[in-house]
Amino acid sequence: GNSVTQMEGPVTLSEEAFLTINCTYTATGYPSLFWYVQYPGEGLQLLLKATKADDKGSNKGFEATYRKETTSFHLEKGSVQVSDSAVYFCALSDGSNTGKLIFGQGTTLQVKP
Amino acid sequence: GAGVSQTPSNKVTEKGKYVELRCDPISGHTALYWYRQSLGQGPEFLIYFQGTGAADDSGLPNDRFFAVRPEGSVSTLKIQRTERGDSAVYLCASSPQRDSYEQYFGPGTRLTVT
Repeated sequence: GNSVTQMEGPVTLSEEAFLTINCTYTATGYPSLFWYVQYPGEGLQLLLKATKADDKGSNKGFEATYRKETTSFHLEKGSVQVSDSAVYFCALSDGSNTGKLIFGQGTTLQVKP
Repeated sequence: GAGVSQTPSNKVTEKGKYVELRCDPISGHTALYWYRQSLGQGPEFLIYFQGTGAADDSGLPNDRFFAVRPEGSVSTLKIQRTERGDSAVYLCASSPQRDSYEQYFGPGTRLTVT
């Protein structure tokens, strides 16, 4: 079945450090891929998305590239801020006619000043 | 504009009791989803509505769980004979249409079964 695997957290970085959170997926067909973020005390928000192979999603300085050959969608940011501290979820939509999302287990990011 | 709202924000109930969780989606959104998030895990799909009908209920764990959306707007998730294993955060999300790629999530209802 379809699944998403994220790197274990928590990830602790100093401000301005480079961030990578790994995400790999298993899916039949051609899924769309997403990163959602959950800031403390808030609901899940879409951070970025990519709907086909080689697409790059980007938002708020974060980027992720849909790599079909490695079934990956790693999240990167060149210089993190304290305000980026949150839980990040990688997800896929399997292309069925429902749009339901399959999530990874989440990675907690803590950025220290 | 108003986002997705869920009530109550917290619910504590005793094992064996019946509970109802409510979701108010964004106005005009035809697609509505329920997910369940256990501690330290990502959300897991429960059920999807397109309009008034449950188009996919494959994620409901057993027949104690049921959801309705009678007028194509507000949805209620109903859990009968609650068990301690039902304790989780229940999330609702809505979308303008099923393939719009973005789901807007509510803040969730934290259910604790004692």
